[in-house]
Amino acid sequence: QKEVEQNSGPLSVPEGAIASLNCTYSDRVSQSFFWYRQYSGKSPELIMSIYSNGDKEDGRFTAQLNKASQYVSLLIRDSQPSDSATYLCAVGGGQGGKLIFGQGTELSVKP
Amino acid sequence: GAGVSQSPRYKVTKRGQDVALRCDPISGHVSLYWYRQALGQGPEFLTYFNYEAQQDKSGLPNDRFSAERPEGSISTLTIQRTEQRDSAMYRCASSLVASRSSGANVLTFGAGSRLTVL
Repeated sequence: QKEVEQNSGPLSVPEGAIASLNCTYSDRVSQSFFWYRQYSGKSPELIMSIYSNGDKEDGRFTAQLNKASQYVSLLIRDSQPSDSATYLCAVGGGQGGKLIFGQGTELSVKP
Repeated sequence: GAGVSQSPRYKVTKRGQDVALRCDPISGHVSLYWYRQALGQGPEFLTYFNYEAQQDKSGLPNDRFSAERPEGSISTLTIQRTEQRDSAMYRCASSLVASRSSGANVLTFGAGSRLTVL
């Protein structure tokens, strides 16, 4: 079992729709959870962090964390073509202290 | 510096040669991470440092790979006797606070070093 799992996609949504990206993790002692966005040929960039159960909203982005279910998600409202990228879930603060990434979900927003 | 700087950006080498990849983190950043990323995959953890101390090297694939950060700033990832399977993008990232501290793991990535082994 991979430590951090994501559906690889591609996930295709129409412009203006809500995109929902999901991630599960295996290390129960994980403490910090992140979503990075990576455009093709570029480096990952941080878009959201969440540390406590519940929802965290930042503009069009909402991160959701459920530690009991070991599940973290990212919702993108009013999706734009510029949101088309690969979204990487990352989990840290477990026993090893390192940050582990999932394989990423490719999102395509169609005009 | 203003961002994480990696060099070289591109390295082509022949099988069996040694390569050294350099990372200069954001000034003042305590933690430094090395990842390897294959096309279409997420970054794969290799190793990380808090200051000059290597905290975890469990992701290094084998003993041909090593990393150091002797003065707690610039880091070098060295691959000895390169093989074709080592070809990948090698990414360095740094964090302001030490791993396992509050606010840790907020990483800023460099542009990466693309290694091609012929």
